[in-house]
Amino acid sequence: GDSVTQMEGPVTLSEEAFLTINCTYTATGYPSLFWYVQYPGEGLQLLLKATKADDKGSNKGFEATYRKETTSFHLEKGSVQVSDSAVYFCALRGSARQLTFGSGTQLTVLP
Amino acid sequence: ETGVTQTPRHLVMGMTNKKSLKCEQHLGHNAMYWYKQSAKKPLELMFVYSLEERVENNSVPSRFSPECPNSSHLFLHLHTLQPEDSALYLCASSHEAHVGIGYEQFFGPGTRLTVL
Repeated sequence: GDSVTQMEGPVTLSEEAFLTINCTYTATGYPSLFWYVQYPGEGLQLLLKATKADDKGSNKGFEATYRKETTSFHLEKGSVQVSDSAVYFCALRGSARQLTFGSGTQLTVLP
Repeated sequence: ETGVTQTPRHLVMGMTNKKSLKCEQHLGHNAMYWYKQSAKKPLELMFVYSLEERVENNSVPSRFSPECPNSSHLFLHLHTLQPEDSALYLCASSHEAHVGIGYEQFFGPGTRLTVL
C-alpha cells in the first residue's frame, strides 16, 4: 500500500537558517503530493502541493519539487522565521480516496 | 462563515457520557472525513463519507458512530469512551476526486477531547 516517510524531528533552527525536511513515498501509479502545516492548537492547513512529476509547489517561501525518480518531495525554505514553528506533514493521495500522511516533523525556530 | 468549522473546540467527558462532535463545511465539497490525532502517533483516518454515503471505516470501535445527514454536515457520536480515546479529532472535506486528480483536503481546527 501507499506510505510516506518523513525525517524524524524535532528540528530546531535559528531564525534565518535554511530548512530542509525530507519526505519520501511509496505508491503505485502517479500520486499527488502535499505538505500540510499544523500550528499549535489548530488543525492542518495545506501549505503546498504538486500533482505530477517535476512540478514545484510553493507558498509562503516554502518549496517542494515532485521527484519521481527518487520518489521524494522534500520541503525547503531559504530563511525560516519564528512564526514558522509548527508541525509539518508530508502526504500523498494515490489511488485511494484518503490521504496517506507521514508522521509529522516538529519545527522550532529560535529568535 | 467560511471553510471547515468544528464544535465544540474542547470537550471533557466521563466514560459513561454520550456526546457528539459536529463538523460543518462551507466549501461546496461532497466528501468528508474524520481523523484522530493522538500525541506521538501518526494521523489516523477513521471514516470517509462520499456523497453522504460512508465509504471507509478503518476498523474503528463501535463506541464511535458517524453520521452525515447532508454534504455540509458531519457528526461523530461518542458513547462509553475510554481514556485512551482522548485525542484531537479532526474533520476534513474535499471534492470527490477521480483517480489521478489530486484534490486536497481542507481541515477544521479540531475538537480536543479528554475522557476521564
